[in-house]
Formats: sequence, structure tokens, C-alpha cells
Amino acid sequence: DADVTQTPRNRITKTGKRIMLECSQTKGHDRMYWYRQDPGLGLRLIYYSFDVKDINKGEISDGYSVSRQAQAKFSLSLESAIPNQTALYFCATSDDNRAGSYNEQFFGPGTRLTVL
Amino acid sequence: DQQVKQNSPSLSVQEGRISILNCDYTNSMFDYFLWYKKYPAEGPTFLISISSIKDKNEDGRFTVFLNKSAKHLSLHIVPSQPGDSAVYFCAATYSGSARQLTFGSGTQLTVLP
Repeated sequence: DADVTQTPRNRITKTGKRIMLECSQTKGHDRMYWYRQDPGLGLRLIYYSFDVKDINKGEISDGYSVSRQAQAKFSLSLESAIPNQTALYFCATSDDNRAGSYNEQFFGPGTRLTVL
Repeated sequence: DQQVKQNSPSLSVQEGRISILNCDYTNSMFDYFLWYKKYPAEGPTFLISISSIKDKNEDGRFTVFLNKSAKHLSLHIVPSQPGDSAVYFCAATYSGSARQLTFGSGTQLTVLP
């Protein structure tokens, strides 16, 4: 079974609709992240959470909101979807980083979202 | 303003030869660098990393070189195999950024049999 799962894997919606993307993990990690990937731009951070009570904006948070329902669940919402939010969305998790070290992030398979 | 740049969108290499993927960065605060590999319809997977206190890190067929003065790193794959065909992302982070990753735009590597 996959350690980081995302639902749905594909979604087509219309402008103005509310959309929720869900992420679950079984790795026991405290840190979770949401990214979007656009052609030619790599991955950009939308929001991240270091534990259930900690939510932080990333580089491109406008138009998005998140909810950390539990250590294992982190959902991303588009309150009113617009066409330029059409992208590939990835959830990721990581362990806490000890001083002087870095723990890599583990990514889910992605959700392809199309906003018409 | 992209702080991490991968200027080659694509690279083709013959099987058995060396693949060299390049990455440049502008933020001198970055102190840890990573390479991720991504296959179609899958999420990126961690490949190899290097701390800024080193200039080389090797893991099997994969070696990452860091040139801090030039703000440049490269990933060498020797020998290249068809299964290495994927998109490779360079990423960087530093402790003052809450360890957020900044990604490059990726390079599509195709290894020809």
C-alpha cells in the first residue's frame, strides 16, 4: 500500500465551484505539504503544516485554504476554482528535521485538476 | 525570480553513457540540495542529496557535485539505463526557510537503448 495517498487522482470542475483535495499518510510523519506543478515552473509550495495545530502559508497560498484534520490527514480546498488553478497537485510528508540535518519529503501520486 | 534554475528542459543520452544534469541557484543561504526523480503519473521520489559542507556525494550510479563559488550543482548518472528516463528536479533549502524546498523547473532525461 502507498504511504502517501491522494484523492481524487483526477478532477474536472467548473469555474466558481468549491473543490477539496485530500491527502492521507501512513508514514507517521508530523510534517505535511501541498504543492502545485505547472509546466515549466517545477513545484511550488502552497501550504505546509508541521503538526495538527500548525498551518503556514507557502509561496502561492492565495485562492487556497487547508485543514489538518489529524496527523495523517491534510486537505487542500479551492473555495472558488478558477481556470489558472488548473495544475497537478502534490501532497508530501516529512519527518521532523533535527538541527543540522534535513529529512527528505515523500510525495503522493498527485491529483490532476482541470478548471473549465 | 527563480532561485533554482534548470536551464535544460530536456536531455537525451545513449544507454551506457554518462548523463549530466545541471542546476544553478541564486540564493547563497541555501545549505542543502536534493535531486528528485519523477515518472509520469507518479509523485517525485527522492534520489540523492548533498550538504553545502561537501562538494560531492555518491550513491551507486548517482553522484552529485556542488560548486558553491559558482552556485552550481550537477547530477551524474553512470552508466545511464533506459529506466533512468524521467523528469529530474533539483531542489534547495536552508534552515531559515523552515526547511521549505525550492524546486527547479525540471529536466526530462531520455536514455536511448
